[in-house]
Amino acid sequence: ETGVTQSPTHLIKTRGQQVTLRCSSQSGHNTVSWYQQALGQGPQFIFQYYREEENGRGNFPPRFSGLQFPNYSSELNVNALELDDSALYLCASSLDPGQGNSPLHFGNGTRLTVT
Amino acid sequence: GNSVTQMEGPVTLSEEAFLTINCTYTATGYPSLFWYVQYPGEGLQLLLKATKADDKGSNKGFEATYRKETTSFHLEKGSVQVSDSAVYFCALIIPPGNQFYFGTGTSLTVIP
Repeated sequence: ETGVTQSPTHLIKTRGQQVTLRCSSQSGHNTVSWYQQALGQGPQFIFQYYREEENGRGNFPPRFSGLQFPNYSSELNVNALELDDSALYLCASSLDPGQGNSPLHFGNGTRLTVT
Repeated sequence: GNSVTQMEGPVTLSEEAFLTINCTYTATGYPSLFWYVQYPGEGLQLLLKATKADDKGSNKGFEATYRKETTSFHLEKGSVQVSDSAVYFCALIIPPGNQFYFGTGTSLTVIP
């Protein structure tokens, strides 16, 4: 069983640039969620994708956007990067979007640094 | 709103000591509760969960009991090992919602 994989592992960008982060979900999982984890903080929900549609969004501005592909892999795009976007970005997959009994399976994350 | 509050860290214990990490929550509905663990350089891994009041989740010697009356889900282990050194996150979700709410994490270091 293949777990959740994210790429790249590390990334350095300049303020104002755009970035794309990628995630392959665990085999058999059709739902992907993205979380932002700032240093010393818990993960914060960005959004979830289910069947290629956005299925819920946290308190993040529209410059955070995403995609899900037919194979359930996903991308997170962030435009107009700000210094505060520096964080670990975690992708998590699950069996279905109603997650009370379907826990998240996380990747190792992408460490984004904005200078 | 929905939120999770964890005890402040870092926590340093000697091997074989007893561990308690406190977690309390506020929720607008009936939550499911989770503990996740993050080892250095890795993503979060599910440690245990409980989906209704008085349920006890357990895994790898760790336990937590869902206490609705005190809105708590404290993590315990009777005898910690050096390999338990990690950051522990308490989290909740309100089914059938899709957003997990995490605490800020508690760093645990176990010394030989």
